[in-house]
Amino acid sequence: KNEVEQSPQNLTAQEGEFITINCSYSVGISALHWLQQHPGGGIVSLFMLSSGKKKHGRLIATINIQEKHSSLHITASHPRDSAVYICAPRTGNQFYFGTGTSLTVIP
Amino acid sequence: DTEVTQTPKHLVMGMTNKKSLKCEQHMGHRAMYWYKQKAKKPPELMFVYSYEKLSINESVPSRFSPECPNSSLLNLHLHALQPEDSALYLCASSHAAGTVIYGYTFGSGTRLTVV
Repeated sequence: KNEVEQSPQNLTAQEGEFITINCSYSVGISALHWLQQHPGGGIVSLFMLSSGKKKHGRLIATINIQEKHSSLHITASHPRDSAVYICAPRTGNQFYFGTGTSLTVIP
Repeated sequence: DTEVTQTPKHLVMGMTNKKSLKCEQHMGHRAMYWYKQKAKKPPELMFVYSYEKLSINESVPSRFSPECPNSSLLNLHLHALQPEDSALYLCASSHAAGTVIYGYTFGSGTRLTVV
């Protein structure tokens, strides 16, 4: 089983701050997803990474496969970014979910 | 169509009821998944269907019965549930995994309450 650790577990930021969420996992993977879940349910897939770095708008995700580590960065954070961010490494058809980072961005 | 649609969005059922959750996608994905998520916890994998065949069953109690009648549709039949089964049930789909890595799309979930 892949042990997935995210840090921090909870994060409060002022609007405009640069935010970093970290994810470490224990076994080799084929890809890693960063997911966003707003209160009340639905999960949105933000990124799927197998190497390097991806950028989408104000979001940047990086992964270091050798170090088994990934980070999600949010630049110029906004209250609408408030959500739970979940790291999900993947091996084949199997995902292992981190416990999530609850982000609150205060205006 | 780039969505996974789950119905109903909310369901309240008694412990003696039989109900079904439905998940539908029209993206040509051949892998479909059911997850259960309790409050403030990450999703837990329940079942994986690959090419309409059950490929993973994560030791889920038999009161949960999955069905994949065709490549676009995934059902979860519920019978004799317990209050502790109350949770958010999430469906997801992807192109079937093999050596190629594909993205993953989640539905918005069904919020189930067992009374």
